[in-house]
Amino acid sequence: AQSVTQPDIHITVSEGASLELRCNYSYGATPYLFWYVQSPGQGLQLLLKYFSGDTLVQGIKGFEAEFKRSQSSFNLRKPSVHWSDAAEYFCAVGAYIGGTSYGKLTFGQGTILTVHP
Amino acid sequence: NAGVTQTPKFQVLKTGQSMTLQCAQDMNHEYMSWYRQDPGMGLRLIHYSVGAGITDQGEVPNGYNVSRSTTEDFPLRLLSAAPSQTSVYFCAVTGWETQYFGPGTRLLVL
Repeated sequence: AQSVTQPDIHITVSEGASLELRCNYSYGATPYLFWYVQSPGQGLQLLLKYFSGDTLVQGIKGFEAEFKRSQSSFNLRKPSVHWSDAAEYFCAVGAYIGGTSYGKLTFGQGTILTVHP
Repeated sequence: NAGVTQTPKFQVLKTGQSMTLQCAQDMNHEYMSWYRQDPGMGLRLIHYSVGAGITDQGEVPNGYNVSRSTTEDFPLRLLSAAPSQTSVYFCAVTGWETQYFGPGTRLLVL
């Protein structure tokens, strides 16, 4: 069975500082990995995804993530955090369900990011 | 183009009542799914469907019922609501290499 662990429940950074959110996954085959962001009371927005190819993937809002198969990790990074980045971040692994579809997402517990001015 | 819509946005139920959470899409994708979100637990898959007439259970299916008669709609039914079903429910549609999430339904069971 697939699983995702986000070790950090809550992270606080100062505006302008760099950020790294950790994600470890367990999956029996090639993983399909995602990072989502959720602002309070809102839905989920996809930041980036990894399916294959280059292990460093770029996403929206200046985020990037690096897939490391040997460490079963897919950590999210941003070089300089803005106050608007304060939100909850979810890592997820998806199962291939045929065709071009990747469903049955398993999510981590989430990491709440607080940004100090 | 509405994408994924969910109704209602918010609902209060009493224990034992039944209700249906609606989910509709206008993207003509086959795969749809329901998740629930609880604090500290991320999102968990309840049920999913790979097309009209085909549904299957996810991680936490107990207490929920689904059917899929059309490509567009995938309703989630609570036959007898329990306080443990207090949660935020998200419908998702899988398209080309991504999932589109609806805005969510916040359910409170008293």
